[in-house]
Amino acid sequence: KQEVTQIPAALSVPEGENLVLNCSFTDSAIYNLQWFRQDPGKGLTSLLLIQSSQREQTSGRLNASLDKSSGRSTLYIAASQPGDSATYLCAALLNNAGNMLTFGGGTRLMVKP
Amino acid sequence: AAGVIQSPRHLIKEKRETATLKCYPIPRHDTVYWYQQGPGQDPQFLISFYEKMQSDKGSIPDRFSAQQFSDYHSELNMSSLELGDSALYFCASSKAGAAFSGNTIYFGEGSWLTVV
Repeated sequence: KQEVTQIPAALSVPEGENLVLNCSFTDSAIYNLQWFRQDPGKGLTSLLLIQSSQREQTSGRLNASLDKSSGRSTLYIAASQPGDSATYLCAALLNNAGNMLTFGGGTRLMVKP
Repeated sequence: AAGVIQSPRHLIKEKRETATLKCYPIPRHDTVYWYQQGPGQDPQFLISFYEKMQSDKGSIPDRFSAQQFSDYHSELNMSSLELGDSALYFCASSKAGAAFSGNTIYFGEGSWLTVV
């Protein structure tokens, strides 16, 4: 059974700092991995999607990397801002699990002004 | 750009009652997914539909049923509600099943169900 883990569970940083969020998955047979942002009581906003054949994707201050062999993905946030404060979730789409996304537990990020 | 629309946004029901949640996917998206997120938990996959046919089934209770209609909107029907059904229910959509197309899955804002 695919397990997705995110470390750390919570992170507090001062504004302007660069930071890395980690996502680990036990089954390397994935179609893709997607990073989401969730504000309290809100929906999931898709940030980046990395296909299994790709190594990284970039969008603005965000960069996500994927290393299937080691079962890891990282989300890099450059020059963090208070508006980045949210929970960040990674989700893996397995080769043999149809359309079911398996989510990690999320990292709660707080960026202090 | 149009997003996934869910209704109602908030719903309060009593135990043993029935609730129906509606989902309108992004235009031209033919695949719909339902997820349940309990308090402090990550989203759990319930069920998905592709071209109006059930494509995958997750941890959906037998008391729940869902379908996708000809206009691609979907409804999640929940009967004999229990306190433990209180959660945020997400609908998501993609163009073609994400497992085959590699397309991004887009989520709605969710429907808050509180069972009292």
